[in-house]
Amino acid sequence: KQEVTQIPAALSVPEGENLVLNCSFTDSAIYNLQWFRQDPGKGLTSLLLIQSSQREQTSGRLNASLDKSSGRSTLYIAASQPGDSATYLCAVRPSTSGSRLTFGEGTQLTVNP
Amino acid sequence: GAVVSQHPSWVICKSGTSVKIECRSLDFQATTMFWYRQFPKQSLMLMATSNEGSKATYEQGVEKDKFLINHASLTLSTLTVTSAHPEDSSFYICSARGFGAGQSNTGELFFGEGSRLTVL
Repeated sequence: KQEVTQIPAALSVPEGENLVLNCSFTDSAIYNLQWFRQDPGKGLTSLLLIQSSQREQTSGRLNASLDKSSGRSTLYIAASQPGDSATYLCAVRPSTSGSRLTFGEGTQLTVNP
Repeated sequence: GAVVSQHPSWVICKSGTSVKIECRSLDFQATTMFWYRQFPKQSLMLMATSNEGSKATYEQGVEKDKFLINHASLTLSTLTVTSAHPEDSSFYICSARGFGAGQSNTGELFFGEGSRLTVL
Protein backbone atom coordinates (compact mmCIF):
# COMPACT_ATOMS: atom_id res chain seq x y z
CA LYS A 1 0.00 0.00 0.00
CA GLN A 2 1.38 3.37 -1.01
CA GLU A 3 2.13 5.78 1.81
CA VAL A 4 3.01 9.42 1.29
CA THR A 5 4.72 11.47 3.98
CA GLN A 6 5.37 15.19 4.00
CA ILE A 7 7.93 16.90 6.17
CA PRO A 8 7.72 19.28 7.89
CA ALA A 9 4.07 19.37 8.92
CA ALA A 10 4.31 23.11 9.45
CA LEU A 11 6.84 25.74 8.50
CA SER A 12 7.08 29.44 9.30
CA VAL A 13 9.60 31.62 7.46
CA PRO A 14 10.27 35.32 6.96
CA GLU A 15 9.40 36.89 3.64
CA GLY A 16 12.08 36.55 0.96
CA GLU A 17 13.49 33.27 2.19
CA ASN A 18 13.99 30.33 -0.13
CA LEU A 19 12.47 27.12 1.20
CA VAL A 20 12.10 23.42 0.47
CA LEU A 21 9.15 21.18 1.18
CA ASN A 22 9.69 17.44 1.22
CA CYS A 23 7.53 14.55 0.09
CA SER A 24 8.41 10.87 0.31
CA PHE A 25 6.54 7.82 -0.92
CA THR A 26 7.00 4.14 -0.19
CA ASP A 27 6.19 2.56 -3.57
CA SER A 28 8.34 3.84 -6.44
CA ALA A 29 5.98 2.41 -9.08
CA ILE A 30 4.29 5.70 -9.80
CA TYR A 31 2.77 7.20 -12.93
CA ASN A 32 3.20 10.80 -11.83
CA LEU A 33 3.45 13.05 -8.81
CA GLN A 34 1.50 16.25 -8.39
CA TRP A 35 1.96 19.19 -6.03
CA PHE A 36 -1.08 21.16 -4.92
CA ARG A 37 -1.77 24.25 -2.91
CA GLN A 38 -4.79 24.57 -0.64
CA ASP A 39 -5.91 27.81 0.94
CA PRO A 40 -8.11 27.61 4.08
CA GLY A 41 -11.64 26.50 3.25
CA LYS A 42 -10.83 26.16 -0.44
CA GLY A 43 -10.24 23.41 -2.94
CA LEU A 44 -6.89 22.38 -4.36
CA THR A 45 -4.94 24.28 -6.97
CA SER A 46 -2.57 22.24 -9.09
CA LEU A 47 0.95 23.68 -9.00
CA LEU A 48 3.19 21.22 -10.78
CA LEU A 49 2.89 17.76 -12.28
CA ILE A 50 5.94 15.55 -12.75
CA GLN A 51 5.72 12.45 -14.87
CA SER A 52 7.60 9.37 -13.67
CA SER A 53 10.13 9.80 -16.48
CA GLN A 54 10.90 13.41 -15.55
CA ARG A 55 13.35 14.75 -12.99
CA GLU A 56 11.91 18.21 -12.42
CA GLN A 57 9.34 20.78 -13.41
CA THR A 58 9.44 24.54 -13.01
CA SER A 59 6.77 27.20 -12.90
CA GLY A 60 7.75 30.71 -11.95
CA ARG A 61 9.26 30.68 -8.47
CA LEU A 62 8.39 27.02 -7.98
CA ASN A 63 10.57 24.07 -8.83
CA ALA A 64 9.62 20.48 -8.13
CA SER A 65 12.05 17.59 -8.37
CA LEU A 66 11.45 13.88 -8.45
CA ASP A 67 13.78 11.02 -7.53
CA LYS A 68 11.60 8.02 -8.17
CA SER A 69 14.15 5.41 -7.18
CA SER A 70 14.55 6.87 -3.70
CA GLY A 71 10.87 7.75 -3.37
CA ARG A 72 11.37 11.46 -2.87
CA SER A 73 10.13 14.74 -4.27
CA THR A 74 10.88 18.28 -3.22
CA LEU A 75 9.08 21.53 -3.86
CA TYR A 76 11.40 24.52 -3.89
CA ILE A 77 9.90 27.97 -3.43
CA ALA A 78 12.18 30.88 -4.22
CA ALA A 79 11.90 34.32 -2.67
CA SER A 80 8.85 33.45 -0.60
CA GLN A 81 6.01 35.96 -0.24
CA PRO A 82 3.17 36.26 2.29
CA GLY A 83 0.78 35.22 -0.49
CA ASP A 84 2.52 31.86 -0.58
CA SER A 85 1.06 31.05 2.83
CA ALA A 86 -1.11 27.95 2.39
CA THR A 87 -1.04 24.19 2.86
CA TYR A 88 0.99 22.34 0.24
CA LEU A 89 0.03 18.78 -0.61
CA CYS A 90 1.82 16.23 -2.71
CA ALA A 91 0.03 13.28 -4.27
CA VAL A 92 1.20 10.28 -6.24
CA ARG A 93 -0.65 8.33 -8.89
CA PRO A 94 0.22 4.65 -9.19
CA SER A 95 1.58 3.17 -12.40
CA THR A 96 -0.70 0.19 -11.99
CA SER A 97 -4.37 0.24 -12.89
CA GLY A 98 -6.59 3.02 -11.60
CA SER A 99 -6.30 6.76 -11.40
CA ARG A 100 -6.63 7.29 -7.68
CA LEU A 101 -4.13 9.55 -5.99
CA THR A 102 -2.55 8.98 -2.61
CA PHE A 103 -2.09 12.25 -0.74
CA GLY A 104 0.37 13.28 1.91
CA GLU A 105 -0.83 15.06 5.03
CA GLY A 106 0.45 18.39 3.76
CA THR A 107 2.84 21.08 4.94
CA GLN A 108 1.27 24.23 6.34
CA LEU A 109 3.43 27.16 5.26
CA THR A 110 3.31 30.61 6.80
CA VAL A 111 5.37 33.39 5.26
CA ASN A 112 5.68 36.34 7.61
CA PRO A 113 5.97 39.88 6.21
CA GLY B 1 -5.35 24.71 -16.33
CA ALA B 2 -8.79 23.20 -16.69
CA VAL B 3 -11.68 24.51 -14.58
CA VAL B 4 -13.78 22.43 -12.23
CA SER B 5 -16.72 24.12 -10.51
CA GLN B 6 -18.56 22.93 -7.42
CA HIS B 7 -21.93 24.09 -6.17
CA PRO B 8 -22.96 24.97 -3.56
CA SER B 9 -19.79 26.19 -1.86
CA TRP B 10 -21.49 25.83 1.50
CA VAL B 11 -24.75 24.44 2.76
CA ILE B 12 -26.45 24.15 6.14
CA CYS B 13 -29.23 21.64 6.58
CA LYS B 14 -31.29 19.96 9.25
CA SER B 15 -30.59 16.42 10.33
CA GLY B 16 -32.50 13.90 8.22
CA THR B 17 -32.59 15.93 5.03
CA SER B 18 -30.73 15.11 1.81
CA VAL B 19 -28.20 17.42 0.22
CA LYS B 20 -26.97 17.39 -3.37
CA ILE B 21 -23.57 18.75 -4.40
CA GLU B 22 -22.74 19.32 -8.05
CA CYS B 23 -19.35 19.10 -9.72
CA ARG B 24 -18.95 20.44 -13.25
CA SER B 25 -16.06 20.48 -15.66
CA LEU B 26 -16.40 23.80 -17.44
CA ASP B 27 -13.93 23.59 -20.32
CA PHE B 28 -13.29 19.90 -20.79
CA GLN B 29 -15.04 16.56 -20.78
CA ALA B 30 -14.48 14.68 -17.56
CA THR B 31 -14.35 10.97 -18.19
CA THR B 32 -13.48 10.32 -14.56
CA MET B 33 -14.46 12.24 -11.47
CA PHE B 34 -13.39 11.68 -7.89
CA TRP B 35 -15.13 12.67 -4.67
CA TYR B 36 -13.10 13.38 -1.56
CA ARG B 37 -13.93 14.24 2.01
CA GLN B 38 -11.67 16.35 4.17
CA PHE B 39 -11.80 16.78 7.94
CA PRO B 40 -10.23 19.84 9.60
CA LYS B 41 -6.43 19.80 9.60
CA GLN B 42 -6.38 16.52 7.70
CA SER B 43 -5.63 15.47 4.16
CA LEU B 44 -8.15 14.32 1.59
CA MET B 45 -9.88 10.98 1.89
CA LEU B 46 -11.07 9.45 -1.37
CA MET B 47 -14.72 8.42 -1.13
CA ALA B 48 -15.48 7.16 -4.62
CA THR B 49 -14.46 7.21 -8.27
CA SER B 50 -17.06 7.70 -10.96
CA ASN B 51 -16.77 7.14 -14.68
CA GLU B 52 -19.28 8.70 -17.04
CA GLY B 53 -22.19 6.41 -17.71
CA SER B 54 -21.28 3.72 -15.18
CA LYS B 55 -21.74 3.08 -11.49
CA ALA B 56 -19.36 4.67 -9.06
CA THR B 57 -16.69 2.65 -7.33
CA TYR B 58 -16.70 3.30 -3.60
CA GLU B 59 -13.75 3.07 -1.26
CA GLN B 60 -13.85 0.64 1.62
CA GLY B 61 -15.90 1.95 4.51
CA VAL B 62 -17.90 4.45 2.43
CA GLU B 63 -21.63 3.70 2.42
CA LYS B 64 -22.87 3.80 -1.16
CA ASP B 65 -26.49 4.12 -0.06
CA LYS B 66 -25.54 7.09 2.09
CA PHE B 67 -23.45 8.88 -0.49
CA LEU B 68 -25.14 8.59 -3.87
CA ILE B 69 -22.96 9.50 -6.83
CA ASN B 70 -24.25 10.09 -10.32
CA HIS B 71 -22.03 10.82 -13.34
CA ALA B 72 -24.64 11.01 -16.05
CA SER B 73 -22.77 13.29 -18.44
CA LEU B 74 -19.18 14.13 -19.35
CA THR B 75 -19.42 17.49 -17.60
CA LEU B 76 -21.45 16.79 -14.48
CA SER B 77 -21.21 14.54 -11.45
CA THR B 78 -23.39 14.85 -8.35
CA LEU B 79 -22.93 13.68 -4.79
CA THR B 80 -26.10 13.32 -2.73
CA VAL B 81 -25.74 12.91 1.02
CA THR B 82 -28.94 11.12 1.98
CA SER B 83 -30.57 11.54 5.39
CA ALA B 84 -27.68 13.68 6.55
CA HIS B 85 -26.60 13.62 10.18
CA PRO B 86 -24.20 15.86 12.12
CA GLU B 87 -21.35 13.37 11.65
CA ASP B 88 -21.65 13.92 7.88
CA SER B 89 -20.60 17.55 8.36
CA SER B 90 -17.40 17.94 6.41
CA PHE B 91 -15.68 19.55 3.46
CA TYR B 92 -16.41 17.67 0.23
CA ILE B 93 -14.16 18.17 -2.80
CA CYS B 94 -14.48 16.80 -6.30
CA SER B 95 -11.79 16.41 -8.90
CA ALA B 96 -11.84 15.52 -12.54
CA ARG B 97 -9.70 14.17 -15.31
CA GLY B 98 -10.61 14.00 -18.96
CA PHE B 99 -9.98 15.49 -22.38
CA GLY B 100 -10.75 18.62 -24.31
CA ALA B 101 -9.81 22.29 -24.05
CA GLY B 102 -7.52 22.91 -21.11
CA GLN B 103 -6.68 19.24 -20.73
CA SER B 104 -3.74 17.23 -21.90
CA ASN B 105 -2.80 13.60 -21.79
CA THR B 106 -0.53 14.09 -18.80
CA GLY B 107 -3.04 12.69 -16.34
CA GLU B 108 -3.22 15.93 -14.41
CA LEU B 109 -6.05 16.16 -11.93
CA PHE B 110 -8.05 19.34 -11.36
CA PHE B 111 -10.08 20.13 -8.28
CA GLY B 112 -13.23 22.04 -7.51
CA GLU B 113 -13.42 24.71 -4.84
CA GLY B 114 -15.04 22.37 -2.35
CA SER B 115 -18.41 22.34 -0.59
CA ARG B 116 -18.72 22.74 3.15
CA LEU B 117 -21.65 20.82 4.57
CA THR B 118 -22.93 21.56 8.06
CA VAL B 119 -25.70 19.36 9.40
CA LEU B 120 -27.51 20.73 12.45
